[in-house]
Amino acid sequence: DAKTTQPNSMESNEEEPVHLPCNHSTISGTDYIHWYRQLPSQGPEYVIHGLTSNVNNRMASLAIAEDRKSSTLILHRATLRDAAVYYCIQEATDSNYQLIWGAGTKLIIKP
Amino acid sequence: GAGVSQSPSNKVTEKGKDVELRCDPISGHTALYWYRQSLGQGLEFLIYFQGNSAPDKSGLPSDRFSAERTGGSVSTLTIQRTQQEDSAVYLCASSLESLNEQFFGPGTRLTVL
Repeated sequence: DAKTTQPNSMESNEEEPVHLPCNHSTISGTDYIHWYRQLPSQGPEYVIHGLTSNVNNRMASLAIAEDRKSSTLILHRATLRDAAVYYCIQEATDSNYQLIWGAGTKLIIKP
Repeated sequence: GAGVSQSPSNKVTEKGKDVELRCDPISGHTALYWYRQSLGQGLEFLIYFQGNSAPDKSGLPSDRFSAERTGGSVSTLTIQRTQQEDSAVYLCASSLESLNEQFFGPGTRLTVL
């Protein structure tokens, strides 16, 4: 079973920031949080991952709560091409390679 | 450079037939994963290969499913005696090592009639 919980869907306006929340209350001290997204009819693509500190890359920022039980993926300026399903994934503590995928959040961008 | 490729992109088969799905990972990637994705769902882990180690088959849903990886590169997922519930998109991913960023192929859409 997925170890993270996310809203089923969210809407945002084009060119505005988007904050996608994720809860991972069972996370252990060494589990990373990974974010992937899947555009329609494509395979998933990596977005970002982090452990404790906030992380930034060219695609997004990841803000991790101090207790690490939740995180937020931030798209600073959403475009229509950001419309996708966003998956927040906690590593499996009993396996050092499995990512347990949930249903994700469908992000809808309104022009 | 070339990404992960999968073939065929679409496969329609009749119930009871065997099918083979192919994955060509990114050159040099030691880890290879197979997932299954039903409509509107997240990814379901099937099997994992890491280098020359024995694969982890713990996600395979039944003994009708098998996979191999030849020469540490190309992988084939075989489904024997297909059933309608096997209909899904089968995704392959590779990474430099386990837990690194996974690069996904476009998937094979399998439809079992």
